[in-house]
Amino acid sequence: EAQVTQNPRYLITVTGKKLTVTCSQNMNHEYMSWYRQDPGLGLRQIYYSMNVEVTDKGDVPEGYKVSRKEKRNFPLILESPSPNQTSLYFCASSLSATGELFFGEGSRLTVL
Amino acid sequence: SQQGEEDPQALSIQEGENATMNCSYKTSINNLQWYRQNSGRGLVHLILIRSNEREKHSGRLRVTLDTSKKSSSLLITASRAADTASYFCAPNTGTASKLTFGTGTRLQVTL
Repeated sequence: EAQVTQNPRYLITVTGKKLTVTCSQNMNHEYMSWYRQDPGLGLRQIYYSMNVEVTDKGDVPEGYKVSRKEKRNFPLILESPSPNQTSLYFCASSLSATGELFFGEGSRLTVL
Repeated sequence: SQQGEEDPQALSIQEGENATMNCSYKTSINNLQWYRQNSGRGLVHLILIRSNEREKHSGRLRVTLDTSKKSSSLLITASRAADTASYFCAPNTGTASKLTFGTGTRLQVTL
């Protein structure tokens, strides 16, 4: 089954404790992206990747890192999480930058 | 980045009625996509309309695109309770990779 898998789905952590949200897709998609969704602000893009080893900033990259060492994986790293990073995070992938996006089920992160 | 703005923010209708939501954007596009999100879940792609198309249908969905007005509309005919969700438009410029989303239209379909 074609899918985008995110882990963990739910996480409560404390300020400053590094965490990684993993994202994996099994559709051989070149394009992958991370979004955060906050009430009243819609979905905002954090980082995106056009292909392996090619990543670029979205609209709200501060406080986040990403890497794309393999085509299927695109982890989101919070080196030192802060409470303002409490949010619902979505990973998405697409065959190309102009095509249909496939979304993961989301990761709800709470930073205390 | 190019972001669509959906209107209205919220819409409440009864089952069987049609629902229309609109999207406006600011710059030239390669295509425009509509997505649905059930509460707290991942977005699901509904339909993609290219800049050279004016209308597209998919089941009970009808999308129109007016590039001169930089606007699009999504019509859901004969709505069902299962259509209750938030709907987002995503204008895609084709040159950048920043497919962004607005705050969506929250559709409530009551029995």
